[in-house]
Amino acid sequence: GQQVMQIPQYQHVQEGEDFTTYCNSSTTLSNIQWYKQRPGGHPVFLIQLVKSGEVKKQKRLTFQFGEAKKNSSLHITATQTTDVGTYFCAGPTAGGTSYGKLTFGQGTILTVHP
Amino acid sequence: GAGVSQSPSNKVTEKGKDVELRCDPISGHTALYWYRQSLGQGLEFLIYFQGNSAPDKSGLPSDRFSAERTGGSVSTLTIQRTQQEDSAVYLCASSLRWGQAFFGQGTRLTVV
Repeated sequence: GQQVMQIPQYQHVQEGEDFTTYCNSSTTLSNIQWYKQRPGGHPVFLIQLVKSGEVKKQKRLTFQFGEAKKNSSLHITATQTTDVGTYFCAGPTAGGTSYGKLTFGQGTILTVHP
Repeated sequence: GAGVSQSPSNKVTEKGKDVELRCDPISGHTALYWYRQSLGQGLEFLIYFQGNSAPDKSGLPSDRFSAERTGGSVSTLTIQRTQQEDSAVYLCASSLRWGQAFFGQGTRLTVV
């Protein structure tokens, strides 16, 4: 079945440093979604990328979708303590009996030291 | 409702007892997911419902776990003969087939 791998599993940064998490799928994705889970909270949708090579920005966050639509990245510029949390990528299953089912990566836990 | 609602928010149960966790998805959402999350860990997929299709139960860890979704809306996750290793946060999410997933606040289950 479809697998979505995410690296690194953990990332510790000093406030002000940049951060990147990478997501790789075993199959071509129709879209890729990113979620953020704050400590003690539940995952919250950040963004969806659909087009090959697409780049989207949200303030200090930059999201990229690979040309082959099998990988994606999330880059945070100049991290702040409010960026702390777990970042998940997710992609839908293209076919089979679980058509449309979102498969989540394992997540990257970001710690920001003030 | 405005979002995905889960109940109870917290549940403490004795080992060996059965528990039922409830999820009220967003109205009109055809997809419903159950996940389990242990402290500091990722999302462990349990089960996926999509419309009237047969559910994807491939993530259920044992036959003590079951789930149903009545009328394409409310879902109940049942854990029979609970064990201490079942202690975790159980998250429910709903979505349109190709849309973003909306998560509930979760049910924190503690088995003592």
